[in-house]
Amino acid sequence: NAGVMQNPRHLVRRRGQEARLRCSPMKGHSHVYWYRQLPEEGLKFMVYLQKENIIDESGMPKERFSAEFPKEGPSILRIQQVVRGDSAAYFCASSPKGSGWSYEQYFGPGTRLTVT
Amino acid sequence: AQTVTQSQPEMSVQEAETVTLSCTYDTSENNYYLFWYKQPPSRQMILVIRQEAYKQQNATENRFSVNFQKAAKSFSLKISDSQLGDTAMYFCAFMKLTGANNLFFGTGTRLTVIP
Repeated sequence: NAGVMQNPRHLVRRRGQEARLRCSPMKGHSHVYWYRQLPEEGLKFMVYLQKENIIDESGMPKERFSAEFPKEGPSILRIQQVVRGDSAAYFCASSPKGSGWSYEQYFGPGTRLTVT
Repeated sequence: AQTVTQSQPEMSVQEAETVTLSCTYDTSENNYYLFWYKQPPSRQMILVIRQEAYKQQNATENRFSVNFQKAAKSFSLKISDSQLGDTAMYFCAFMKLTGANNLFFGTGTRLTVIP
């Protein structure tokens, strides 16, 4: 069973460009979380999605950031008009919640975004 | 709101010795989970150990064990027989069992195992 996959692993964007980060959850998981880790800090929750639904986006910046988890395909975190402050590692985690299993979240390897 | 505090930014331990990492948290919830995650230089987040708040018995996973003090809201991690591969950032995390079940992380402790 493949783990959580994220791509790209590294992404460089110039200020003002768009960044698209992808996350494929573990097989059988329909719950996805996105977290952001700024340099020398812990991870901070951004958004929680189920297939075709945004459940909680209380950690998402109000502008320029959006997320989706379509019926088919990976979850996408989109950052429009990137600024230097968006430089960070973005982690995706998936969970089998709702199946009677534990609440454990399984993390992907992260995408390191650098804005120049 | 939930907060997680790790008061030791950096720690070091001699190989084969024992080290304890501290974590405190603040919550009004009664049921929740607590976790310790390890983040080596590869940056992959690896689950080390999990504790359910309703369980009085401290969790243990091989060389890793916790001291969970619910009344004091304390959740420390003990690593026995430290190995070079234990060198990493360690994050304490809290999850409430209502709502989104997202994780709240502390700021981390950088552990270095010295040969």
